[in-house]
Amino acid sequence: GIQVEQSPPDLILQEGANSTLRCNFSDSVNNLQWFHQNPWGQLINLFYIPSGTKQNGRLSATTVATERYSLLYISSSQTTDSGVYFCRGGENAGNMLTFGGGTRLMVKP
Amino acid sequence: GAGVSQSPRYKVAKRGQDVALRCDPISGHVSLFWYQQALGQGPEFLTYFQNEAQLDKSGLPSDRFFAERPEGSVSTLKIQRTQQEDSAVYLCASSNTFLTGDSDFNYGYTFGSGTRLTVV
Repeated sequence: GIQVEQSPPDLILQEGANSTLRCNFSDSVNNLQWFHQNPWGQLINLFYIPSGTKQNGRLSATTVATERYSLLYISSSQTTDSGVYFCRGGENAGNMLTFGGGTRLMVKP
Repeated sequence: GAGVSQSPRYKVAKRGQDVALRCDPISGHVSLFWYQQALGQGPEFLTYFQNEAQLDKSGLPSDRFFAERPEGSVSTLKIQRTQQEDSAVYLCASSNTFLTGDSDFNYGYTFGSGTRLTVV
């Protein structure tokens, strides 16, 4: 199956800083999502972004499908952004999508 | 309900004990997924239901794992003769679309908060 690598594995930011999280895929994908897992374990769907760029408040994501990667941008980070960010991707259906290992983000006040 | 509900929130089982984990999806959601998330890892797919039909169980790690969704709503993941390697968070997700490969397949895709299983 497809391999999904996320970087960096861990990230510590000062509140207000910006950051970029990366997700690389071993093969082409036509389905890609970004999730945030908060400290209580809840996985929240951030973006569905198989290609192009989307923005939602301080978060934006860009996927370059031809080069098999996606980026998640966090601007003006807040302590509530802390948690683990996962990307998930693959071909078509949800049961064939693979999660990356996550980026653990800690935003310090 | 307003979200995907999982119970119990925490479960401690003795090695060899059977456990049952429950998932209440969002009302009307057709698709239901189970995932296993080991400590420090991303979730790994276990099984998928479309209504009451289990269409994919390729991720179930052994025949000790069994899932059902008899009426197409609530689902139960059962683990028999638990082992220490079964310790993980078990996540359930539901969606109100079929898996058709359509770009909107994951509309409404929502995870529950998970059940943390610890086998001692």
